[in-house]
Amino acid sequence: QVQLQESGPGLVKPSQTLSLTCSVSGGSISSGTYYWSWIRQSAGKGLEWIGRTHTGGSTIYNPSLKSRVTISLDTSKNQFFLNLTSVTAADTAVYYCVVIRGVYVFDPWGQGIVVTVSS
Amino acid sequence: DIRMTQSPSSLSASVGDRVTITCRASESIGTYLNWYRQKPGQAPNLLISTASTLQGGVPSRFSGSGSGTDFTLTISSLKPEDFATYYCQQSRSTPPTFGGGTKLEIK
Repeated sequence: QVQLQESGPGLVKPSQTLSLTCSVSGGSISSGTYYWSWIRQSAGKGLEWIGRTHTGGSTIYNPSLKSRVTISLDTSKNQFFLNLTSVTAADTAVYYCVVIRGVYVFDPWGQGIVVTVSS
Repeated sequence: DIRMTQSPSSLSASVGDRVTITCRASESIGTYLNWYRQKPGQAPNLLISTASTLQGGVPSRFSGSGSGTDFTLTISSLKPEDFATYYCQQSRSTPPTFGGGTKLEIK
């Protein structure tokens, strides 16, 4: 069973770049079996899908964030990553890395990491 | 984007009660509807996919139904661990979107 663990800074300054890592265990990113995704949860916007990637090279982003987001992966480390540029207080949220099974079925989820945007 | 609306937003009930949560999509999504439970301090956990398919390990007191735009999640007899927040999510189109949640509280 795949398990996910997010890591990264818990505090980011406004206008800077938020960078998170998701470490995968119990399964190989390079197998191509799943899509790998990021979702965030904030008090203001609830649960918001950020985007997803796959070893086949297809990466899709939420249009609402597309201009600021990059999701990538490193098969050698069995990790995937989130970069979100030009952050503001509105990007303060709990960020989850998540496996996509089938058509946008999110399971399992990492435990989440709280990221606060503040100077 | 497809908008998902859940009702009620909060619900008070007792252990042993039967409860139903409703989710409505802004356009038809067939049965591309998933349900999650989120306990305090934890990530959401998948309960039901494609409107009615119970995931492995999920108790049979949970059931889902519906198609098109109207869906329901029913818990037949509440246990203490069921007091949590429930979310529906459409997987019909990109971007996938979530309902605002239903917080189930102990009466």
